[in-house]
Amino acid sequence: DIQMTQSPSSVSASVGDRVTITCQASQEIGSWLAWYQQKPGTAPQLLIYAASTLQAGVPSRFSGSGSGTDFTLTISSLQPEDFATYYCQQANSFPHSFGQGTKLEIK
Amino acid sequence: QVQLVESGGGVGQAGRSLRLSCAASGVTLNKYAIHWVRQAPGKWLEWVTVISHDGGTKYYADSVRGRFTISRDNSKNTVYLQLNSLRAGDTAVYFCAKGQADYTTFGFLDSWGQGTLVTVSS
Repeated sequence: DIQMTQSPSSVSASVGDRVTITCQASQEIGSWLAWYQQKPGTAPQLLIYAASTLQAGVPSRFSGSGSGTDFTLTISSLQPEDFATYYCQQANSFPHSFGQGTKLEIK
Repeated sequence: QVQLVESGGGVGQAGRSLRLSCAASGVTLNKYAIHWVRQAPGKWLEWVTVISHDGGTKYYADSVRGRFTISRDNSKNTVYLQLNSLRAGDTAVYFCAKGQADYTTFGFLDSWGQGTLVTVSS
């Protein structure tokens, strides 16, 4: 099975900051990677798929990059509504494993 | 607008069974794989299982294989998850989610239900 490792597990930042979250796969997954945002008490929402493609309706301050085993999610200028937990997920093989999440908190 | 609604959660005794349902509206499910993902209280997301658009292909996480069974009834636009031999570790919110691309089990999850809570008691 493919293991997905996110870092950091939590990060504190201020509105307007640039934040980067990384995700590493234990083996090559090409571009079969998605990023999801989850706010407390709600379902996850797809932000980015195929490593770098923005899901419809997602603000352009979100971007994704990487391929193979190393991936990043960048939020260029944090907005108040961005404080949430972010998960990566690989869709290269089953089980479609998730990372352990990165909680983005207000500084 | 796609809407997925899970139901069937509740309190189940260890060793017993529950059946969850995922009903869709705003989309005809017969082109799409449906996944179940769970989240234990305060924990991260865990992928559980997937069923192909026609029900012919299924995959399971090791943690549930042999105990959980996924099925679908496309005439009812509904997917089911049968949870047998419940364990304390199965306590979680269970989300169903729709595969983004049609006619494949692989891929990303672009629509999610609100989740249904399963609590396993001893």
